[in-house]
Amino acid sequence: NAGVTQTPKFRILKIGQSMTLQCTQDMNHNYMYWYRQDPGMGLKLIYYSVGAGITDKGEVPNGYNVSRSTTEDFPLRLELAAPSQTSVYFCASSSGGKTRHGYTFGSGTRLTVV
Amino acid sequence: AQSVTQPDIHITVSEGASLELRCNYSYGATPYLFWYVQSPGQGLQLLLKYFSGDTLVQGIKGFEAEFKRSQSSFNLRKPSVHWSDAAEYFCAVGAGGSEKLVFGKGTKLTVNP
Repeated sequence: NAGVTQTPKFRILKIGQSMTLQCTQDMNHNYMYWYRQDPGMGLKLIYYSVGAGITDKGEVPNGYNVSRSTTEDFPLRLELAAPSQTSVYFCASSSGGKTRHGYTFGSGTRLTVV
Repeated sequence: AQSVTQPDIHITVSEGASLELRCNYSYGATPYLFWYVQSPGQGLQLLLKYFSGDTLVQGIKGFEAEFKRSQSSFNLRKPSVHWSDAAEYFCAVGAGGSEKLVFGKGTKLTVNP
């Protein structure tokens, strides 16, 4: 059982480039989330989805886009990368609504924008 | 909206000593509470959770946490710390009407031999 899989694990981007961070889960979870983690700042929610075709903004959505065409996949798109987007990105999923079940996390993508 | 405070940014303990990591939350009703652990370079792993019932909950790796409504706290404890417990620990809170967890800023644990 793979759980939540994120690719790539590491990436260096130049300012202005674009990329997609991939996230796939095989647990048939309806809820999926993207967080970014910066040192000393904890986790900040970027976008989340409560099911295929439904997405919503978190607290720090600027500079990012998401889509959810299937239950399994929840890619995060960075357009026109900026140094402020240097961070570690985590994808997570949840089986139940209303946060009762907690999250299963992927192992993260470390992104550097230079 | 709910919020979480972890007052200690960094804690250092000796191997074999007891451990308590503090977590305070802000929410009007009984929240769902979680502790996660993150080893260096890894994702977050669920240690334990509370959402109702017995206020003392047991988790993996010998950890436990106690929900105290009067103090709005959910502190994590371990009676004897092992070197492998060195990691960063995150407290998180969920409200019954929300699809999202709110995370604290984390407490980094260093274990001295």
